[in-house]
Amino acid sequence: EAGVTQFPSHSVIEKGQTVTLRCDPISGHDNLYWYRRVMGKEIKFLLHFVKESKQDESGMPNNRFLAERTGGTYSTLKVQPAELEDSGVYFCASSPQGSLHYNEQFFGPGTRLTVL
Amino acid sequence: GQQVMQIPQYQHVQEGEDFTTYCNSSTTLSNIQWYKQRPGGHPVFLIQLVKSGEVKKQKRLTFQFGEAKKNSSLHITATQTTDVGTYFCADFSGGSNYKLTFGKGTLLTVNP
Repeated sequence: EAGVTQFPSHSVIEKGQTVTLRCDPISGHDNLYWYRRVMGKEIKFLLHFVKESKQDESGMPNNRFLAERTGGTYSTLKVQPAELEDSGVYFCASSPQGSLHYNEQFFGPGTRLTVL
Repeated sequence: GQQVMQIPQYQHVQEGEDFTTYCNSSTTLSNIQWYKQRPGGHPVFLIQLVKSGEVKKQKRLTFQFGEAKKNSSLHITATQTTDVGTYFCADFSGGSNYKLTFGKGTLLTVNP
C-alpha cells in the first residue's frame, strides 16, 4: 500500500512569490491534516479535512494560506504571497475514519519550503 | 491553548546506554501519542497511551503515562544505532478534535 506522498520535496522561492504544495493521502483515508515545523520548533497543526470539508483550521497562521481538498482526495496548500517566516517543513498526514479515541496519523515525507 | 513541554532537547549516548525523554503539560493530557522521526525522514507513529498510569512496552521501548495524565515518558533500554532520530510526544484530544499538539522533540544520537 502506498503511503502519503507530497510534492514537491523541496521548494525555494523569493519573498512575495506564490507556492502550492500538494499532498496525496493514503487511499481511502477520509482525514487529511497539514502540519508545519519551523526549524528548532515543534511540529504545529495547521488544519484538518474530513473528506472535502474543513473540520478544523484553527492552526492556519493567516489569510495568506489557503488549503483545498476538492473531491476529498488530494489536497493543496497555497501560500500567497510567501514571507520569510513561512520557511519550514510542511508535513501532510492522513488517517482513516475510525475511533474517536484512537487516531494513528500517517505522515508524508514533507515539503521543505525556503523563502528567500 | 494546550502546550506540551518535552525534555531534553538533545541527548547523546554511547551505544548500550539507556535513554529517556519526558513530556509534561500544565493541563491534563487527553491521550498521548509518541512518534519517531529518523534523520531526513518523517514522523512515524509508535504508540498511543490513554489511561492514567498506563505502561506499554515495545521490545526495548517502554512508554508510561502519568497517574495525573500530565506527563509521559519514553525509555529505551540499551540503545542501538538504529534508535537514532527525534522522538516526539503529542497530545491527541480525541472526540471531534483530531489535531495533534506536539512537543518540541528530543534528538537522540548514539555513538557506536
